[in-house]
Amino acid sequence: AQTVTQSQPEMSVQEAETVTLSCTYDTSENNYYLFWYKQPPSRQMILVIRQEAYKQQNATENRFSVNFQKAAKSFSLKISDSQLGDTAMYFCAFMKYNNNDMRFGAGTRLTVKP
Amino acid sequence: DAMVIQNPRYQVTQFGKPVTLSCSQTLNHNVMYWYQQKSSQAPKLLFHYYDKDFNNEADTPDNFQSRRPNTSFCFLDIRSPGLGDAAMYLCATSRGQSRGSQHFGDGTRLSIL
Repeated sequence: AQTVTQSQPEMSVQEAETVTLSCTYDTSENNYYLFWYKQPPSRQMILVIRQEAYKQQNATENRFSVNFQKAAKSFSLKISDSQLGDTAMYFCAFMKYNNNDMRFGAGTRLTVKP
Repeated sequence: DAMVIQNPRYQVTQFGKPVTLSCSQTLNHNVMYWYQQKSSQAPKLLFHYYDKDFNNEADTPDNFQSRRPNTSFCFLDIRSPGLGDAAMYLCATSRGQSRGSQHFGDGTRLSIL
């Protein structure tokens, strides 16, 4: 079974600064997808960024980028120029290729301070 | 806008009284999922439908059932809710074998009296 571990239950960052959220996972699969989802307080979960395991290049979406280390099974999320609206719960998730079963980590609660 | 809609946002039911949560989608996605999310925890997959094919997670209690009468709608039925079933229930959709991104609804927060 695949497991996803987020070792930082809570983090905080000052507005405009950079923060990195950690995620590790355990799998014997070679092809899979990794995701970071954001869940603001009382709001819906939205996809932040997605990485296909076969791609060596790290995914980026505006201020969000990942550091994907396949051999180390590590998938960290970097948020640059943090904004107050980035305050949310962030979940790392894993899914095998051609499978609909997504496994989430326990989440990291990020607070951006003014 | 295409979206995933869950009704109601908040549901209160009595201990042991059956309750149904609903989810609809305008995305025309093949797959619909139901997750249970307890406070400050990760969403836990209960089951999903790939088109009409129902896929139950091994550890989903028998108390939880689902129906998908058509592509657009999916229901979560809790036959005899217990206090431990109080949670946020999230519906999500995806296009199936499509790189996996899931689109979530706002969720229904279920309270048990």
